[in-house]
Amino acid sequence: AQSVTQLGSHVSVSEGALVLLRCNYSSSVPPYLFWYVQYPNQGLQLLLKYTSAATLVKGINGFEAEFKKSETSFHLTKPSAHMSDAAEYFCAVRSTGNQFYFGTGTSLTVIP
Amino acid sequence: KAGVTQTPRYLIKTRGQQVTLSCSPISGHRSVSWYQQTPGQGLQFLFEYFSETQRNKGNFPGRFSGRQFSNSRSEMNVSTLELGDSALYLCASSLLGGSSYNEQFFGPGTRLTVL
Repeated sequence: AQSVTQLGSHVSVSEGALVLLRCNYSSSVPPYLFWYVQYPNQGLQLLLKYTSAATLVKGINGFEAEFKKSETSFHLTKPSAHMSDAAEYFCAVRSTGNQFYFGTGTSLTVIP
Repeated sequence: KAGVTQTPRYLIKTRGQQVTLSCSPISGHRSVSWYQQTPGQGLQFLFEYFSETQRNKGNFPGRFSGRQFSNSRSEMNVSTLELGDSALYLCASSLLGGSSYNEQFFGPGTRLTVL
């Protein structure tokens, strides 16, 4: 069964600091990986997705993620945190049967 | 193109009642999935419908059911509500066929409170 693990349920960074949110996947087949963001009382919004075209994927709002097959990781980064980045972030993997498996989420706090 | 819409946005029910939530996917999307989100359990998959057929099902009791109509709109029903059913219910649609990298698009959710 496919799954994702997000290390750290809460991450705090200072405004302007690097954001690093960790995601490891468990998959025996080429993974279909995604990062979503959720703001309070809203649904999930796609940040970026891995498409195998490149290992470094650029998404919206300055976020990017690097696919590392040897480490089975798909960590999300942003060079400089902004106050508006405070939200819940979810890593997800899609199975070949079209079922999505979500991580437990990482709550990002940005300290002014 | 309109996004995924869910109605109603907020619901308050009492224990023992039943509730029906509605989801309209993005035009052309044939897959609709439902999730329950709670602070303690995170996002839990309920079921997925494709072309009016339930294709995947999560580990929820039979009180949770759903259906999909020919226009891809979907409803989920929860009968005999329990306090623990209080949650944000999210609907997501995706475009099948073509690339397997198609993502899910989420609606804003329905906030269900059971008193």
